[in-house]
Amino acid sequence: NAGVTQTPKFRVLKTGQSMTLLCAQDMNHEYMYWYRQDPGMGLRLIHYSVGEGTTAKGEVPDGYNVSRLKKQNFLLGLESAAPSQTSVYFCASSPTQGTEAFFGQGTRLTVV
Amino acid sequence: GDSVTQMEGPVTLSEEAFLTINCTYTATGYPSLFWYVQYPGEGLQLLLKATKADDKGSNKGFEATYRKETTSFHLEKGSVQVSDSAVYFCALRPLGGNNDMRFGAGTRLTVKP
Repeated sequence: NAGVTQTPKFRVLKTGQSMTLLCAQDMNHEYMYWYRQDPGMGLRLIHYSVGEGTTAKGEVPDGYNVSRLKKQNFLLGLESAAPSQTSVYFCASSPTQGTEAFFGQGTRLTVV
Repeated sequence: GDSVTQMEGPVTLSEEAFLTINCTYTATGYPSLFWYVQYPGEGLQLLLKATKADDKGSNKGFEATYRKETTSFHLEKGSVQVSDSAVYFCALRPLGGNNDMRFGAGTRLTVKP
């Protein structure tokens, strides 16, 4: 089983460029999340979705947009990348409230 | 709001030493509690979990007990191995509200032979 798959795994952007990170899950989970991981700060929630067609802001949403047009996919967009968005991005999914989250392998993004 | 605090690292131990990584939480009600492990270059993997007070989660020799009275979920292992070297994250998932998972800052463990 693939589980949660993120593409791409690595990316370098110039300041001001845009890009989209794709997250796909094959477990039919309702909940999907985007986190960023920075040294010494654990994981911080950017945006999340509680079902197809829904999205909501997390702890650090500024500079990011998301869409969940299909239940299995959750896209994270950066419209105008900034060096402060250099980070490792993780997508996760979970079936219901209170259960564990399943994580993708991460995307390392560098903005120069 | 709901949050998790875990001991700062890094932690360096010799093989076969006893491991404790402290984790305390702040939450209303009875959240679900988790320990995740992240090996170099990989995503987070669930190590163990507990969903109610006094539950003990265990896996691969690791254990943690959900202590409501001390709001703690400390991770322990009796004898660590070099292969346990990783970053460990304590996390909680509150009941209701946004129901998103809250993570501690992570503790890096290095086990030396």
